Amino acid sequence: DQQVKQNSPSLSVQEGRISILNCDYTNSMFDYFLWYKKYPAEGPTFLISISSIKDKNEDGRFTVFLNKSAKHLSLHIVPSQPGDSAVYFCAASISGSARQLTFGSGTQLTVLP
Amino acid sequence: DTAVSQTPKYLVTQMGNDKSIKCEQNLGHDTMYWYKQDSKKFLKIMFSYNNKELIINETVPNRFSPKSPDKAHLNLHINSLELGDSAVYFCASRSERGTTYTQYFGPGTRLTVL
Repeated sequence: DQQVKQNSPSLSVQEGRISILNCDYTNSMFDYFLWYKKYPAEGPTFLISISSIKDKNEDGRFTVFLNKSAKHLSLHIVPSQPGDSAVYFCAASISGSARQLTFGSGTQLTVLP
Repeated sequence: DTAVSQTPKYLVTQMGNDKSIKCEQNLGHDTMYWYKQDSKKFLKIMFSYNNKELIINETVPNRFSPKSPDKAHLNLHINSLELGDSAVYFCASRSERGTTYTQYFGPGTRLTVL
């Protein structure tokens, strides 16, 4: 059973426009959420995170929104650039000694020039 | 100044062999992890070590054994390799200090079992 779901396997956006990537989760114990970006043949690279005590976190062109009641988070990229083309993974963790990450299946973002 | 490194990057071997993947982090982190990315691209936790002690062991065959000689290293030994072990294996690390729980990943090791 997938506790973190990314229902869109792919997304295409024009350069300069907004990219919105979505993620849903089922476990209400998750209290920390992260977005990672992954290029082929490389490891996931951390992008941005948000604690469950917040509903928004912004870092440059990247903003993550958290809606706890809907168990939904989204990543907004504005403006989108061709270099943003990659697979984006949503991940969640629970308070505890290990803090292991539970990942979604990823969304392939393609930014068209 | 690589933060989390893994060797080798590619590993091709025959069924039944024993192999090891090495991981090192120079971030001074206390906790290290192994994740497996399967053919469907899911990243799943395998093991977690904190200060050289095992704290997570997910449902992984006991042919897989992690070993942590010191806080900066977490190696993965795999005995009697099977076809289904073919995957990309990622090492990651995290600091216990502060309130951010960000994990930093290595570049991955693509294991192919023939």
